[in-house]
Amino acid sequence: AQSVTQLDSHVSVSEGTPVLLRCNYSSSYSPSLFWYVQHPNKGLQLLLKYTSAATLVKGINGFEAEFKKSETSFHLTKPSAHMSDAAEYFCVVRGGTGRRALTFGSGTRLQVQP
Amino acid sequence: NAGVTQTPKFQVLKTGQSMTLQCAQDMNHNSMYWYRQDPGMGLRLIYYSASEGTTDKGEVPNGYNVSRLNKREFSLRLESAAPSQTSVYFCASELRDGLEAFFGQGTRLTVV
Repeated sequence: AQSVTQLDSHVSVSEGTPVLLRCNYSSSYSPSLFWYVQHPNKGLQLLLKYTSAATLVKGINGFEAEFKKSETSFHLTKPSAHMSDAAEYFCVVRGGTGRRALTFGSGTRLQVQP
Repeated sequence: NAGVTQTPKFQVLKTGQSMTLQCAQDMNHNSMYWYRQDPGMGLRLIYYSASEGTTDKGEVPNGYNVSRLNKREFSLRLESAAPSQTSVYFCASELRDGLEAFFGQGTRLTVV
């Protein structure tokens, strides 16, 4: 069965400093992995996705993630945080209960301090 | 371009009442999903529909029923609401596997 573990429930950074949100996955086959962002009281928006092409995936708003099979990781990074990045971030793998469905991690809340 | 539209946005129910959450997408997507979001638990799949006329249980289906009325619409029904069903409910749709899933804005349901 597919699953993801987000290693930090909260991350706090200062504006202008790098962001690292960690995600490990478990999958019995080559996974499709995603990062979604949810701003307060909003729906979810896709940041980026990995579907077995390039291992370094670039997304919107300067975010990127690297798929590392040897470490079963898919960490999300951004070189310089902006106040508008404050939100909840979900690492997601396709599969689980219902082959087609998305299985979500528990989320990481990113705070950006001025 | 409306995308995925959920109604209502907010609802308060008394224990034992019933209600239906509506979801419609205008992107001609095949697959549709209902998730619930609870603090610290991410989103959990309630039911999904891979195509018109088919529905399947997800991770947490107890207490819910669904109907894929046509290709556009996928409704979620609570027959007898319980306080444990207090949550934010999201509907999502996607064209096919591997492509982006689009989410509605959510329905915040409180059962008292």
